[in-house]
Amino acid sequence: GAVVSQHPSRVICKSGTSVKIECRSLDFQATTMFWYRQFPKQSLMLMATSNEGSKATYEQGVEKDKFLINHASLTLSTLTVTSAHPEDSSFYICSARRQGSYEQYFGPGTRLTVT
Amino acid sequence: GQQLNQSPQSMFIQEGEDVSMNCTSSSIFNTWLWYKQDPGEGPVLLIALYKAGELTSNGRLTAQFGITRKDSFLNISASIPSDVGIYFCAGQLGNEKLTFGTGTRLTIIP
Repeated sequence: GAVVSQHPSRVICKSGTSVKIECRSLDFQATTMFWYRQFPKQSLMLMATSNEGSKATYEQGVEKDKFLINHASLTLSTLTVTSAHPEDSSFYICSARRQGSYEQYFGPGTRLTVT
Repeated sequence: GQQLNQSPQSMFIQEGEDVSMNCTSSSIFNTWLWYKQDPGEGPVLLIALYKAGELTSNGRLTAQFGITRKDSFLNISASIPSDVGIYFCAGQLGNEKLTFGTGTRLTIIP
């Protein structure tokens, strides 16, 4: 199988602080990882595409200085929400594309609550 | 960002009934995917379609890739309680990003 993990599964932070979310492909190498955000009762919205060893590509309307993405290895991408505000509270989901394939495998998501 | 139109938005059915939902797009895709998402979890792939007109089954699930490449449907036969959840379609063009549908929430009435 192709397993993707996320850590933490849920996090609560205070407004103004930063929080880092990790996305790992456990049993395959992923040259590309994707970060999505999902608000309650809504669909998944792509935030950015992360390519190993290069800068992430952000979707329109997503602030790259606020949502820092690092894809330093073929099995790990991180999303750091900087200076978090209550409106950043959401469900963040990553997916990983296996090297040489078009298929994406999704992680279990991280629930972020900013108080 | 772009989203695909999915209908119905929600469904309330009794156990044992068949379910049908569809997804439409204004642009073409060469891959259609159907996912199920349980509360608090990531989406899980149910069926992948790679060819216009293709009809694919996975157990009680059947999905078709529309001949125009702008739509797809998913059928679930003889629904059971564990079918409850949100179903999302997604379209993909080549190795580009996925574009997700608006979702169909399935509820089974006891």
